[in-house]
Amino acid sequence: GDSVTQTEGQVTVSESKSLIINCTYSATSIGYPNLFWYVRYPGEGLQLLLKVITAGQKGSSRGFEATYNKEATSFHLQKASVQESDSAVYYCALRVTGNTGKLIFGLGTTLQVQP
Amino acid sequence: GPKVLQIPSHQIIDMGQMVTLNCDPVSNHLYFYWYKQILGQQMEFLVNFYNGKVMEKSKLFKDQFSVERPDGSYFTLKIQPTALEDSAVYFCASRLGVRDTQYFGPGTRLLVL
Repeated sequence: GDSVTQTEGQVTVSESKSLIINCTYSATSIGYPNLFWYVRYPGEGLQLLLKVITAGQKGSSRGFEATYNKEATSFHLQKASVQESDSAVYYCALRVTGNTGKLIFGLGTTLQVQP
Repeated sequence: GPKVLQIPSHQIIDMGQMVTLNCDPVSNHLYFYWYKQILGQQMEFLVNFYNGKVMEKSKLFKDQFSVERPDGSYFTLKIQPTALEDSAVYFCASRLGVRDTQYFGPGTRLLVL
């Protein structure tokens, strides 16, 4: 079946340092994978951070970037310089076109940015 | 941005009772979803609802579960009767069209005793 695997647990980074959260996917359903990063800030609901629907393309938002790598089946999230306000839980997700639009989520990665 | 609301935020009930979780989706959206997240596990798809019908459901969507959206009001998830393994956070989501972004509610934390 379709699945998403991402960096597990908590990642702690000092402010202004770079970040990478790994995400790989497996899409066995018929259809074309679309890839997403969602974020949950403390006390808030899940919200879309960025999405890429075409292989080879890069999505970006709020200084975060992720490139849809079809060959490596990866969609790693990167940021060159994190801020304390980036502390949140990040979820990688997969949607296969042609189905009802359901999302397949990774376990989530908690980012803690230290001042 | 668009907001999805969920009522209540927390619910504690005894095993065997019925519970209804309410979702107020974005007003013009057409596709509705429920997801379930057990503590420490992935958020998992339960069901998709469109045009008054269940379009797809997962194996987690047991016979005790039902969904409806009468007359464009709340989109509800009903569990009758509840079981201990139903304890989880339930997230509602909605979207306008097939290619559009899903917007999520803050979740309802359900504890079955």
